[in-house]
Amino acid sequence: DIQMTQSPSSLSASVGDRVTITCQASQDISNYLNWYQQKPGKAPKLLIYDASNLETGVPSRFSGSGSGTDFTFTISSLQPEDIATYYCQQYDNLPIFTFGPGTKVDIK
Amino acid sequence: QVQLQESGPGLVKPSETLSLTCTVSGGSISSYYWSWIRQPPGKGLEWIGYIYYSGSTNYNPSLKSRVTISVDTSKNQFSLKLSSVTAADTAVYYCARVFNFWSGYSSGYYMDVWGKGTTVTVSS
Repeated sequence: DIQMTQSPSSLSASVGDRVTITCQASQDISNYLNWYQQKPGKAPKLLIYDASNLETGVPSRFSGSGSGTDFTFTISSLQPEDIATYYCQQYDNLPIFTFGPGTKVDIK
Repeated sequence: QVQLQESGPGLVKPSETLSLTCTVSGGSISSYYWSWIRQPPGKGLEWIGYIYYSGSTNYNPSLKSRVTISVDTSKNQFSLKLSSVTAADTAVYYCARVFNFWSGYSSGYYMDVWGKGTTVTVSS
């Protein structure tokens, strides 16, 4: 089974800061990696698919990069509405899906 | 636009079977994969399994022995059954559409439409 780790598990940053979250897979997953945002009490929302593709309608301050085992999710300028937990999700060719443990983002 | 709505009992007794239905509105259930995901209180997301509209399925290996997902295309619905539940199955259960795309060299997948979620508590 492929295991996913995310770091940090939580972070606190100021409005306007650049925020970076990393996701690491236990083995090569090519670019089979998506990123979701979940606000408290709400369903997750797709932000990035295929490691670096921005979902339609998602603000351009969100971006993703990486391939293989190491991936990065970036918010270029943190906004108050970005308070949420962010999850990476990997899949294989079956597909079988696995979510990362999540990163909680707060405003300092 | 496509919307998903979960429905089913909010309280299930230990050892019994949890049954939920997801109704798809604003679009057809055909030509897509449909998935169930759950989230225990205060914890992260866990993928349960999916069904293709034609009926083929795939499940999380850790839940496979207890999970059945089925589809009713005439009603535009798909369903989840989880047997022999315990308190550890208490969670918010989400249904989601899995979009399949061709990246140019392989198939890609992502969950692009989600239901609002329904809370299921396992307790006597």
